[in-house]
Amino acid sequence: GAVVSQHPSRVICKSGTSVKIECRSLDFQATTMFWYRQFPKQSLMLMATSNEGSKATYEQGVEKDKFLINHASLTLSTLTVTSAHPEDSSFYICSAPDWSGRSTDTQYFGPGTRLTVL
Amino acid sequence: AQKVTQAQTEISVVEKEDVTLDCVYETRDTTYYLFWYKQPPSGELVFLIRRNSFDEQNEISGRYSWNFQKSTSSFNFTITASQVVDSAVYFCALTGGYQKVTFGTGTKLQVIP
Repeated sequence: GAVVSQHPSRVICKSGTSVKIECRSLDFQATTMFWYRQFPKQSLMLMATSNEGSKATYEQGVEKDKFLINHASLTLSTLTVTSAHPEDSSFYICSAPDWSGRSTDTQYFGPGTRLTVL
Repeated sequence: AQKVTQAQTEISVVEKEDVTLDCVYETRDTTYYLFWYKQPPSGELVFLIRRNSFDEQNEISGRYSWNFQKSTSSFNFTITASQVVDSAVYFCALTGGYQKVTFGTGTKLQVIP
């Protein structure tokens, strides 16, 4: 089945630094990817929709200047957390839809990136 | 707007008991898709099932079964003869198609040996 990878799987950084998270669709092209955030013991909340070749669309309450999204190619989207602070510590998950019919699942999720900001 | 409600926050059962996880959804889309995902402690989401709005047939896969009822906007998930490995957080989710997924708040299932 289709695979979406994320890198890194875990990152610890100091407050004030920027962190880049990559999301790749390994065997299919994804013109759209989604970025979710999950705080401990909570559900996944959509942060933004990443569109190849155009600007990302952000959900209400998500700071676009803090969470920079770049969808550089049909297989890669990156999320950069700029000037990270402890409250940004969370589990970040990307997903990419694939409606080719190869599988009954159409939303392929990455394994997630756990960000800890000290 | 879409909404998914999982009223059960946490459930504990003894191994081999059956357990049903409830899911109620709201959507204005006529075509939509419902999902169930399992999230073990590692955090990775494991796909369990997708059901489209035109297919109300119940489905069984091993110890898992799903009951989709459009009349009550529910998509419940039953685990028969639960096992310790079933312990995880289970999310019900909804999408209107080639769109973002709306997740429920999740149900944490603990199966006690």
